[in-house]
Amino acid sequence: AQRVTQPEKLLSVFKGAPVELKCNYSYSGSPELFWYVQYSRQRLQLLLRHISRESIKGFTADLNKGETSFHLKKPFAQEEDSAMYYCALLQNQGGKLIFGQGTELSVKP
Amino acid sequence: EPEVTQTPSHQVTQMGQEVILRCVPISNHLYFYWYRQILGQKVEFLVSFYNNEISEKSEIFDDQFSVERPDGSNFTLKIRSTKLEDSAMYFCASCRESNQPQHFGDGTRLSIL
Repeated sequence: AQRVTQPEKLLSVFKGAPVELKCNYSYSGSPELFWYVQYSRQRLQLLLRHISRESIKGFTADLNKGETSFHLKKPFAQEEDSAMYYCALLQNQGGKLIFGQGTELSVKP
Repeated sequence: EPEVTQTPSHQVTQMGQEVILRCVPISNHLYFYWYRQILGQKVEFLVSFYNNEISEKSEIFDDQFSVERPDGSNFTLKIRSTKLEDSAMYFCASCRESNQPQHFGDGTRLSIL
């Protein structure tokens, strides 16, 4: 079954601390994974796409096929990073996104 | 930067009434989607639409639901006879190609009384 799991509902860190938001997936094909972010009262925005291998706002995510993971990392969290983060898997046939439960990141001053 | 727009932002409807949620996808996008998020739960896929027809629909998307692209710009989701459990945030999304990142609207909060 195709599934995305984000085990943490809430992650609370202090400003300047490293952050890792976990995402594991289950998919029989070649996965294409995304991280979306939702700031307070705003829309879901694309943060990262695994095939682009870029860093956005200091965040990176590496696809680990052996561990079926796509964890989101940032070495030094900022208060403005506080938001809901969703990991999503693109189903190759038809293009629907399968979302994880989301992790709320709270960065305290 | 072009955006997906959704109206209304909040819709309150009596149970059993019909409701239409409206979306204007980004103009050169070809693939359109509806998702919903019940409070406290994950974002769930409802339906995808391409070339004027449904590409895929989920189990949630039963006979009470329908989608339409009535003109060149709007993409609507209709719920024929709303139920309490239809209360949720409904997100519209669009993309140029099916393997490209989807752009989301702000969502419509639907409250069924």
